[in-house]
Order: sequence, then structure tokens, then C-alpha cells
Amino acid sequence: AQSVTQLDSQVPVFEEAPVELRCNYSSSVSVYLFWYVQYPNQGLQLLLKYLSGSTLVKGINGFEAEFNKSQTSFHLRKPSVHISDTAEYFCAVSLGSGGYNKLIFGAGTRLAVHP
Amino acid sequence: EAGVVQSPRYKIIEKKQPVAFWCNPISGHNTLYWYLQNLGQGPELLIRYENEEAVDDSQLPKDRFSAERLKGVDSTLKIQPAELGDSAVYLCASSRGTSGTRDTQYFGPGTRLTVL
Repeated sequence: AQSVTQLDSQVPVFEEAPVELRCNYSSSVSVYLFWYVQYPNQGLQLLLKYLSGSTLVKGINGFEAEFNKSQTSFHLRKPSVHISDTAEYFCAVSLGSGGYNKLIFGAGTRLAVHP
Repeated sequence: EAGVVQSPRYKIIEKKQPVAFWCNPISGHNTLYWYLQNLGQGPELLIRYENEEAVDDSQLPKDRFSAERLKGVDSTLKIQPAELGDSAVYLCASSRGTSGTRDTQYFGPGTRLTVL
């Protein structure tokens, strides 16, 4: 069965520092991968997605992620974070079965950016 | 375009009471999803609709949960009776339903349910 592991439940970082949020998945078939962000009291917003092609994916708000098939990882990175990046980040994998996008989410990583 | 709309945003009820959540998807989106998000966890799919048909409700606890999507647009999720363990955020999402596994899901703000 497919699963998603977000290795850090919380990541504290200072403003303007780089950050990496780690995500590993398990799947016996090809997958699509997603990162969503959830700001306090809001729904999930898509940051970026990997469907095919280049393994380096660029998203909104200066975030990017790299798909590594051999390590079954899809880590999210940003070279310089802002206070406004404080939020919960969810990695998700699409099972790609049944002809539709069934998402399996990780438990989330809380990014706390400090001044 | 307007996003996914959910109401109410917050609901507090006593256990054994009924409760209902409403969702209006993005215009033109054929697929609608209801997710449950427990505190400190990622969302988990409860039910998926293709137009008015529930095509995946395997994770919906059918003894107390029900859902409907009349006319293939708005949807309502109901719990009757509510239990303490139902306290969570209920998220609605929609997608165009035309790209299969590549479809992007767009989420509403959620309804935070507290059962006392």
C-alpha cells in the first residue's frame, strides 16, 4: 500500500535562512507527487506538483521540490524564507489508480519562521 | 474564479446531536471530495463524487455519516448522531474531473467541528 512519510513534524528556522522539508513515499507503481500548504484556519493550497518530465519542480512563493525516484523522496526547499511562510506543509502522493487523482497525505510539517 | 465555499466555518455541538456541512465546488468542477482532517494529521478521503454519483465511499462510516450531491453541484455531509471522536476539520475539495490522475484538487477552508 502507498504511504507518505514526512520526516519532521516541526521545523523552526530564522527568517531569510534556507529550509528543506523532507518527504518520502512508498509505492510499487509510478506516482504523482504534490506539496500543499495550509495557513492557519484556511484550506490547503497547492504549492507544486510533479507529474512527469524534469525532476526539479518549481512552485509558487519561491518553493521548489526535487523528485528522486531512487530514494523515493520529494523534498521541498526554499532558499530564503519569510515570516509569511509560517504554515503547515503537506506532502501527498497520488495513487494514480481507478482513473482519478486519489491523494494520500503525509502527517504534515509545521514550518515556524522566526525573526 | 471563486474558490470552494464551505459553511459553516465553525460548529460546536453536544454529542448525540446531528450536524451538517455544506460545500459549493468551483464552477464547472465535476468531481467533489470530502476529507476528514484530525488534529496533527493530513486529510483522509471520506467520499468522492463524480457529478451526482458517489464513486468512492469506502472510507465513509456509514452507520452515522451520510452525504449527498443533488444535481451534481452542491454537496452536504451529515453526521447523526455525532460522537466526541468526530471533532475534526471537514474539508471539501473539487477538481475538473477531466484529467484523471493528473487532476488538481482545490480545497475549501474547511469546517471545524467540536463535539462536547
